[in-house]
Amino acid sequence: QVQLQESGPGLVKPSETLSLTCTVSGGSISSYYWSWIRQPPGKGLEWIGYIYYSGSTNYNPSLKSRVTISVDTSKNQFSLKLSSVTAADTAVYYCARVDSLIAAAGTGYYYYYYMDVWGKGTTVTVSS
Amino acid sequence: DIQMTQSPSSLSASVGDRVTITCRASQSISSYLNWYQQKPGKAPKLLIYAASSLQSGVPSRFSGSGSGTDFTLTISSLQPEDFATYYCQQSYSTLPYSFGQGTKLEIK
Repeated sequence: QVQLQESGPGLVKPSETLSLTCTVSGGSISSYYWSWIRQPPGKGLEWIGYIYYSGSTNYNPSLKSRVTISVDTSKNQFSLKLSSVTAADTAVYYCARVDSLIAAAGTGYYYYYYMDVWGKGTTVTVSS
Repeated sequence: DIQMTQSPSSLSASVGDRVTITCRASQSISSYLNWYQQKPGKAPKLLIYAASSLQSGVPSRFSGSGSGTDFTLTISSLQPEDFATYYCQQSYSTLPYSFGQGTKLEIK
């Protein structure tokens, strides 16, 4: 079955750029959306953004000015870059697959999106 | 932004109990509501999607209901492995996708 694995530095200095990669194994990156989510220590989940395998993206407005998500279909990977980090960006970062339930309605369709496969997460600490 | 509010924030219950967790959206989100379970040190696990559809492999004691602004996650008979934190998440709007603050389910 599909598995996701996050990788990247565990320590980033303030004002620098956090860079993480998610490698997809056991399936193709094509035909899905792929998402990044983070969780600060002891706190809840925050959605960062997602990318479609074709490259279209959607970001959390609160992070949009600092976030870039990209995809490399040849490597079955997608990546996260978060610039100008501060201590507030210290968190466990998860990547996840976004699947959908498609329901017919009238002359169109509804798409119910959900994150069904998650990586184990990687801890990133922002500190000098 | 659509705000998601869960209640209660924490809950103590015993094995075999029936438990209900509530999630309320700040505006109507139709049935665009998902539920996740997270155990300490682990990634979240999808339980319910589209408000009431049970994810493959998830025990049938988990069920979801609701539409519009009010949703519930019910565990019909608590098992020891169900003690965890539960999050709801709306997928109606990507501005942004938002999670509830979580409900921690503890052993009484």
